[in-house]
Order: sequence, then C-alpha cells, then structure tokens
Amino acid sequence: DQQVKQNSPSLSVQEGRISILNCDYTNSMFDYFLWYKKYPAEGPTFLISISSIKDKNEDGRFTVFLNKSAKHLSLHIVPSQPGDSAVYFCAATRVLIGNQFYFGTGTSLTVIP
Amino acid sequence: DGGITQSPKYLFRKEGQNVTLSCEQNLNHDAMYWYRQDPGQGLRLIYYSQIVNDFQKGDIAEGYSVSREKKESFPLTVTSAQKNPTAFYLCASSPVSNQPQHFGDGTRLSIL
Repeated sequence: DQQVKQNSPSLSVQEGRISILNCDYTNSMFDYFLWYKKYPAEGPTFLISISSIKDKNEDGRFTVFLNKSAKHLSLHIVPSQPGDSAVYFCAATRVLIGNQFYFGTGTSLTVIP
Repeated sequence: DGGITQSPKYLFRKEGQNVTLSCEQNLNHDAMYWYRQDPGQGLRLIYYSQIVNDFQKGDIAEGYSVSREKKESFPLTVTSAQKNPTAFYLCASSPVSNQPQHFGDGTRLSIL
C-alpha cells in the first residue's frame, strides 16, 4: 500500500512563475520529509527536507510546507527556471525507529522558457 | 570527488541466470540501500545495510540477495527466483540511516 502519494504525474509551468508540487502521506507517525530531484539517466539528488516540528523550510528558490493535520506537504519553486525541469520525488520516514524512507511516484516538472 | 558508482549502466540477463549489480561508495557512509524503480511507481526498498556485515530486508526482498563485507561496497544479486527482474535499480548511501541519501546513477536490467 502506497504510504506516500504524488497524485500529479506531471506539471508544466512558465519560466519565472511559481511551481507547486504536492505530496500526501497516510502514516501520521512520519516525522521527517524530503524532496529529491531526478534528471533522466541520473540518480535522484537530495533537494530539501523538513522535520515535523516545523511547518516551513526555505532554501533559496525552494520552500517546503508541511501541513500535519492534512498529512500534506508541498514544494514551491519560485521563480521557476528551465533547469528545474526534472522529476521530483517526495519521501517520508520515522526518524527514531525507522530505517526506511517511503517514496512517492514522482511528478515530472516541465518549465517552459 | 566523493560519490556512488553503480556498474554497469545497462545489463542484460538470460532467463534462469543470476546477475550481480555493483555499488561502490567513497563517502565513508555507514548506511547503504538498494531500490527498485518501475514505471509509474516510486522507489521501493529491496535491502538496506546500516553497518558492515549486517543487512536487512526491505519491502521487496524476495528473489534478491546482498552482502556487505566492506564499508564501501554493497553488491546486489538478482537471482533466478526473481520472476520480474526487468527494472531500474538504484543504490544509495547515507552517513547513518534516516539521513538524506546520496544516489548512484542506476543500473537498468533487462531480460533477454
């Protein structure tokens, strides 16, 4: 059963605008969340993370928001650039007892110049 | 440069054959992982290892085996018992478990 879900397989955004990628999870015990970015023929690269004690974490153009009551997190990219075109995966884990990250199915972002 | 090296990039296997995928890291990480990715699915954990000479099954370990004799190396063997081995395989490592993982560039395995 998929514990982490990304319901949008793809997203297209104009350059300079905001990209919003969404992720939902079912296990309320997850307390650490990450986003990875993946280019074709390469492995995923860690992008940004957030702990459940926070509701927002920002790193340059990338911001992750966490809504624990809704079991939802989102990644905002602003402004979007053509080089951001990639597949984005969210992942979640229970830090203290888990050894495993659960990954979503990915959202393919295309930033149109 | 430190990183994770997976080889080969493409691998073909005949029915009934075992095949071993290589994963080497020079990041001095204790934890290493093997994932499988199929079209339309997220990364699914096959095996992980938190320390040398120890490893644990993930969600889809059936038909696979691993070893962790050295800190740097975590090879994955796809055995003939794995009925649907065609997939993209990713190896990852992290300093300790539950920290962001560094991934290799993957091996695509196909059945002839």
